[in-house]
Amino acid sequence: GQQVMQIPQYQHVQEGEDFTTYCNSSTTLSNIQWYKQRPGGHPVFLIQLVKSGEVKKQKRLTFQFGEAKKNSSLHITATQTTDVGTYFCAGGTRYSGGGADGLTFGKGTHLIIQP
Amino acid sequence: NAGVTQTPKFQVLKTGQSMTLQCAQDMNHEYMSWYRQDPGMGLRLIHYSVGAGITDQGEVPNGYNVSRSTTEDFPLRLLSAAPSQTSVYFCASRRSRTVEQFFGPGTRLTVL
Repeated sequence: GQQVMQIPQYQHVQEGEDFTTYCNSSTTLSNIQWYKQRPGGHPVFLIQLVKSGEVKKQKRLTFQFGEAKKNSSLHITATQTTDVGTYFCAGGTRYSGGGADGLTFGKGTHLIIQP
Repeated sequence: NAGVTQTPKFQVLKTGQSMTLQCAQDMNHEYMSWYRQDPGMGLRLIHYSVGAGITDQGEVPNGYNVSRSTTEDFPLRLLSAAPSQTSVYFCASRRSRTVEQFFGPGTRLTVL
């Protein structure tokens, strides 16, 4: 079945440093979604990318979808304490059995910020 | 709007007991899903529904049943609880033709 791998598992940064998490799929994706989950909280949808090579920005967050639609990245510039949490990617394919959205979630990257 | 609500927040069961996790949304969303989240794991889909009266299995459906008699409610039933079902359960919903899923606050279930 489809696999979505996410690295690193943990990332420690000093406040103000940049952070990047990477997502790689074993199969070509139709779309990729990113979520943030604060400690003890629930996942919150951030964005969906659909097009090959697509880049989207949300303030200090930059999301990229690879040209082959098999990988994606999330980059945070100048991290703040409010960025603490786990960032998940979820790759979508129409026939993966992952529900109406065909989503397979990565295991997430835990972002830990040291003030 | 309350969004997506889940009850209970915490539950402890003994092996073999049955129970129902409740999920409700007041946004008139057609799509609803149940996920489980285990330590160090991503979310795994248990069951989902694309509308009232329609349900289907996800990645890990064994040991769980669902029904969708109304648009608002999507309960998850554990038939005979097992320690392997110890997890955090999230319900999510979204409107058809949109992509953003809204998650409930979760139910933390422990099976002894």
